[in-house]
Amino acid sequence: DAKTTQPNSMESNEEEPVHLPCNHSTISGTDYIHWYRQLPSQGPEYVIHGLTSNVNNRMASLAIAEDRKSSTLILHRATLRDAAVYYCILRAYAGGTSYGKLTFGQGTILTVHP
Amino acid sequence: DGGITQSPKYLFRKEGQNVTLSCEQNLNHDAMYWYRQDPGQGLRLIYYSQIVNDFQKGDIAEGYSVSREKKESFPLTVTSAQKNPTAFYLCASSIGHGSGAFFGQGTRLTVV
Repeated sequence: DAKTTQPNSMESNEEEPVHLPCNHSTISGTDYIHWYRQLPSQGPEYVIHGLTSNVNNRMASLAIAEDRKSSTLILHRATLRDAAVYYCILRAYAGGTSYGKLTFGQGTILTVHP
Repeated sequence: DGGITQSPKYLFRKEGQNVTLSCEQNLNHDAMYWYRQDPGQGLRLIYYSQIVNDFQKGDIAEGYSVSREKKESFPLTVTSAQKNPTAFYLCASSIGHGSGAFFGQGTRLTVV
């Protein structure tokens, strides 16, 4: 399975933008890039996903490099509720009806300061 | 409301006993997953299932068993063969590889 590399931790101030990087140099052409976040003692929450083009939703934006070897999750205005562990995951597509595994790495611990 | 439900939230068992964790979803999702999380660590995949009556081992399947007799249900049994069963167990479901996954709130299992 293709692997991702994320910084162990990042810090931000409230109401400032946050750019969370992820490297995935071994990504294959059919791997989707997924982002999840997890608050303490809770299950992960889906944030966003994309394949080639940049994506936006109500929670965040996903910027994907042209060569797809890296991506960045963008929180436009961080709030205290955004403090969590953020996971960047590649979801492999094995063809047919195969849905592929979701393999989690260590993630990035985001601290948001008031 | 549609969602994925894990029960119970907390579970205590004596060493040597098998225990079954429940996971139910009413999202009509084909794929379901079980993960284990230890303190300060990421999630590790135990088993996953893409259709009824079919499932595959994940990265740490030893000491665990699953069944998928119904689309809505994917119970996980932690057997006495699992050497370190105390952990936070998470169940997830998804509709396809290009879609996001939904997670339950987890079951914290403590074996004493």
